[in-house]
Amino acid sequence: DAEITQSPRHKITETGRQVTLACHQTWNHNNMFWYRQDLGHGLRLIHYSYGVQDTNKGEVSDGYSVSRSNTEDLPLTLESAASSQTSVYFCASSDHRQGMNTEAFFGQGTRLTVV
Amino acid sequence: KNQVEQSPQSLIILEGKNCTLQCNYTVSPFSNLRWYKQDTGRGPVSLTIMTFSENTKSNGRYTATLDADTKQSSLHITASQLSDSASYICVVGAPQGFKTIFGAGTRLFVKA
Repeated sequence: DAEITQSPRHKITETGRQVTLACHQTWNHNNMFWYRQDLGHGLRLIHYSYGVQDTNKGEVSDGYSVSRSNTEDLPLTLESAASSQTSVYFCASSDHRQGMNTEAFFGQGTRLTVV
Repeated sequence: KNQVEQSPQSLIILEGKNCTLQCNYTVSPFSNLRWYKQDTGRGPVSLTIMTFSENTKSNGRYTATLDADTKQSSLHITASQLSDSASYICVVGAPQGFKTIFGAGTRLFVKA
């Protein structure tokens, strides 16, 4: 069965370190997204990609970067981790632009703690 | 500013009872509205997707309604089960460029 997986599920890192969260999907979807979810807030978009070599900034992109070298993977990198980046991170994929009427499939999430 | 507001923030009901969750949005223009269910420690899972021309959409015991004129949506859960305990998230999509706005969610607790 097709799926979308994130790794690791939990990560503790120190302030200032570079951290990379992995996202891998086997749906063969064009579009992939990274969100963060904080208590009391809806999911907020960090970066997204419409295809290989395409990346775009979302509403909370400062301090994060992504790269899309193939269809299946969209790793999220925190350049220099800060305590404000402690959050739960979700990766998602979809077949068309989310402005259109298609479903997005989400990974299980990565809980990141920056100490 | 495009916003999606959900109410109540949390809700406790007894197993077998019905409940209705509300979503008000100010996103304009608007292309679709979705309801997701998110179990604790899991990613959101889609329940329903409605375009601006649809008034209602059902998925088993879940029925979503949409009033595009008043910019309101509701999710009605019938004969609740313990497994319905989760967060329910309203998501509004806009047609231009890439815009998807998530509500903060309603946390539902179903008690035996």
